[in-house]
Amino acid sequence: NAGVTQTPKFQVLKTGQSMTLQCAQDMNHNSMYWYRQDPGMGLRLIYYSASEGTTDKGEVPNGYNVSRLNKREFSLRLESAAPSQTSVYFCASSPRPADGETQYFGPGTRLLVL
Amino acid sequence: DQQVKQNSPSLSVQEGRISILNCDYTNSMFDYFLWYKKYPAEGPTFLISISSIKDKNEDGRFTVFLNKSAKHLSLHIVPSQPGDSAVYFCAARNYGGKLIFGQGTELSVKP
Repeated sequence: NAGVTQTPKFQVLKTGQSMTLQCAQDMNHNSMYWYRQDPGMGLRLIYYSASEGTTDKGEVPNGYNVSRLNKREFSLRLESAAPSQTSVYFCASSPRPADGETQYFGPGTRLLVL
Repeated sequence: DQQVKQNSPSLSVQEGRISILNCDYTNSMFDYFLWYKKYPAEGPTFLISISSIKDKNEDGRFTVFLNKSAKHLSLHIVPSQPGDSAVYFCAARNYGGKLIFGQGTELSVKP
């Protein structure tokens, strides 16, 4: 049982390049989330998907887009990467929206934008 | 505006002693509070939670206390073990069901 998987684990981009971070969960969860973690800032919600077919903005959505491809997969896209997007990105899933106790996180994607 | 704050970036305690991690919040509408634990190169994992209608919740060596009048919660770990060394995040759930995280406190338990 893999839980929440994220690819890639690490990526270096140049300013202006685009990329998509992939996330998949095998727990049949309805809700999925993208967070970023920065030193001194904790985890901040970028976008979330309460259920398949819906997406909503979180605290820090600027510069990002998301796609809930199906129930399992939730991708995060950076159209034109900026150095301020250097961060560690975590995907998470939960059975239902607002379910903090059972919000399972992936191992993270470390992104460096030069 | 940081709605959930962990003012101590790090904490070091001796094995067997008590670890106390603190968290302050500003929004009285938060209805649930949670603690997550994070090891290096891994995602956070849920540790313990407390509803805003309670003032204490205990799970083995971990106890969370909530003081609503002070808008303060704390996590007590007794006795502390070297395997408890990790970054601990407190989080609060807002009216929209989303989690707001604090900055994290890195706990180091020395043998």
